Amino acid sequence: GEDVEQSLFLSVREGDSSVINCTYTDSSSTYLYWYKQEPGAGLQLLTYIFSNMDMKQDQRLTVLLNKKDKHLSLRIADTQTGDSAIYFCAESFPSGGYNKLIFGAGTRLAVHP
Amino acid sequence: DGGITQSPKYLFRKEGQNVTLSCEQNLNHDAMYWYRQDPGQGLRLIYYSQIVNDFQKGDIAEGYSVSREKKESFPLTVTSAQKNPTAFYLCASTDFGGSYNSPLHFGNGTRLTVT
Repeated sequence: GEDVEQSLFLSVREGDSSVINCTYTDSSSTYLYWYKQEPGAGLQLLTYIFSNMDMKQDQRLTVLLNKKDKHLSLRIADTQTGDSAIYFCAESFPSGGYNKLIFGAGTRLAVHP
Repeated sequence: DGGITQSPKYLFRKEGQNVTLSCEQNLNHDAMYWYRQDPGQGLRLIYYSQIVNDFQKGDIAEGYSVSREKKESFPLTVTSAQKNPTAFYLCASTDFGGSYNSPLHFGNGTRLTVT
C-alpha cells in the first residue's frame, strides 16, 4: 500500500545545514511536496518537485529526489531558529479523479544556538 | 487576502455530543478537504469535495459527516459515533482542474477535545 516514512526528530545548530529525509512506496507518484507546520498552525507549502526531476533549488531550500530508491530529501542551508517546526513530506498521485496526497508523520526540527 | 478560515481554534465537548467545525475559503477553489492530525502520525483524509453538492469519503470517514452547499464552505460534523474524536482537524482547498500540481492550501486548524 501507499506509505511515506520520515524520521521523527532532527536537532541542528544554528547556521548549519539541515537535511530531512523521506522515503515513499508508490512509484506512480506525480509530485512530491514538503510542507512546514509551526506550533498550533496549519501546514504551509514550502516547495514541491515533479517526479521526473532530480533536484530543485529555491533560495535556502534544496530538494533531491532519487526515484530509483524512492527517496526524497529537503536540505535547508544556514538553518535559523525560525526554521524550527515540523516538516511533512507528501506524495501525490491520481486516484479516482482527484489528487490524492499521502503524508509522512512529520520530522520535528529543533534549531539550537 | 485570500485564505482558509477555520473556526473555532479550540473546541471542547462532552462525550456523546455532535459538534460541527467550520471551514470557509475565499480562494475560489473547487476542491476542499478535511484531514485529521494526531501526534506522531501523518495527516489522514476524512472527506473531500471536488464540487458543490458532491463529496466523497476519505480513508477515515466513519463517525464524521460533511456538506458542501456552497463553494466557499465545507463544514465537518464530528458525531457521537466517532470513537476517538479528540484531535487536530485541518481543512484544505485546492484549485482542482484536472491538474495534479495544484498544492493544498491549509487553514490554521481546530483543536477538538472531547471529555
